[in-house]
Amino acid sequence: EAGVTQFPSHSVIEKGQTVTLRCDPISGHDNLYWYRRVMGKEIKFLLHFVKESKQDESGMPNNRFLAERTGGTYSTLKVQPAELEDSGVYFCASSLAAGSYEQYFGPGTRLTVT
Amino acid sequence: GENVEQHPSTLSVQEGDSAVIKCTYSDSASNYFPWYKQELGKRPQLIIDIRSNVGEKKDQRIAVTLNKTAKHFSLHITETQPEDSAVYFCAASTYGQNFVFGPGTRLSVLP
Repeated sequence: EAGVTQFPSHSVIEKGQTVTLRCDPISGHDNLYWYRRVMGKEIKFLLHFVKESKQDESGMPNNRFLAERTGGTYSTLKVQPAELEDSGVYFCASSLAAGSYEQYFGPGTRLTVT
Repeated sequence: GENVEQHPSTLSVQEGDSAVIKCTYSDSASNYFPWYKQELGKRPQLIIDIRSNVGEKKDQRIAVTLNKTAKHFSLHITETQPEDSAVYFCAASTYGQNFVFGPGTRLSVLP
């Protein structure tokens, strides 16, 4: 069974540019989460999809971040325009369904904004 | 909201010794506590978890204990090996949803 995959693995962009991160969850997993780890600090929750619907987006920093999950499969996280403080590692995780507690993480996308 | 603290931030042990990492949480509604291991450049891997209806869980050399009254849980690794060297994160959640992570513990196992 393939694990959670994320693309790209690294992205270096200039301040003011746009970047789109992609996450493919484990096939059949309804729950998809985005997290971010900034500058070696704790991993912080961004948002949670159940299938194609946003269940909780309370962790999104501001309106420069937009997440989508088309058709309830893969998800994208767009940052527009990027700021220096957006640099960090963005993780995606998925879990099977309601009542499934275990979350499986992707390898992360390291975003550097210069 | 939930707040998770984790100690120590770094831990060095000799190969074969035991390692203990401790976490505290603030929200009494939290009922699921996973531990993740992240090796350099790799994804966080779930190594063990515990639910609030259980006080202790063990899997080979790894064990987790939970004290709901005191709101703390701990990871115990016995007979440590060099491949146990990694950053370990604890987390707390309600029903397996949005995890709140501790800041991580960098464990170094010295040969």
